[in-house]
Amino acid sequence: EPEVTQTPSHQVTQMGQEVILRCVPISNHLYFYWYRQILGQKVEFLVSFYNNEISEKSEIFDDQFSVERPDGSNFTLKIRSTKLEDSAMYFCASSDGQERGIPFGPGTRLTVT
Amino acid sequence: QKEVEQNSGPLSVPEGAIASLNCTYSDRGSQSFFWYRQYSGKSPELIMFIYSNGDKEDGRFTAQLNKASQYVSLLIRDSQPSDSATYLCAVRDDKIIFGKGTRLHILP
Repeated sequence: EPEVTQTPSHQVTQMGQEVILRCVPISNHLYFYWYRQILGQKVEFLVSFYNNEISEKSEIFDDQFSVERPDGSNFTLKIRSTKLEDSAMYFCASSDGQERGIPFGPGTRLTVT
Repeated sequence: QKEVEQNSGPLSVPEGAIASLNCTYSDRGSQSFFWYRQYSGKSPELIMFIYSNGDKEDGRFTAQLNKASQYVSLLIRDSQPSDSATYLCAVRDDKIIFGKGTRLHILP
């Protein structure tokens, strides 16, 4: 069964540095999402992306964040200048638009020091 | 803003018993409801979805939906130690909106 994949599995960066988290959605899916989960807290929506543009973003997704689909397979989340509070698990998800649950990738653990 | 409420637990259930997990949601217009399972340090894994009032069964899992009461539940029959995880209730509003999750602990 096709799966969403994410790289790297763990990223350690220093405060103020830029990071790019990568995702490969399921190949026939058209809707893409990023979520984050701070340790011990709920899974929070960041942004959804469809037809090469952001369709919805949460208040967490401020100017420090951006998303891109640089080619036909990858979907990236960039954090321009990381803060300590950006430390979290970041999950990518994708959907074919059908009213089913959205499958999630395995996540990238981001640690900002 | 749509919200999903769950008791955070932990809910402790003896092995072999039925585990019952509950959830309420704020938006009466919500149509699609999901249960995800999340093991510690792992990503959410979809285990059930339900759209219609009533029960939906899949193996040891039964999802129940009552739209009048804005209530969703998940029953796990014959609970196994491997069922110990956090169970996330979710509704769909284009994106998925999660509750905080209920920690379930199956006692061997």
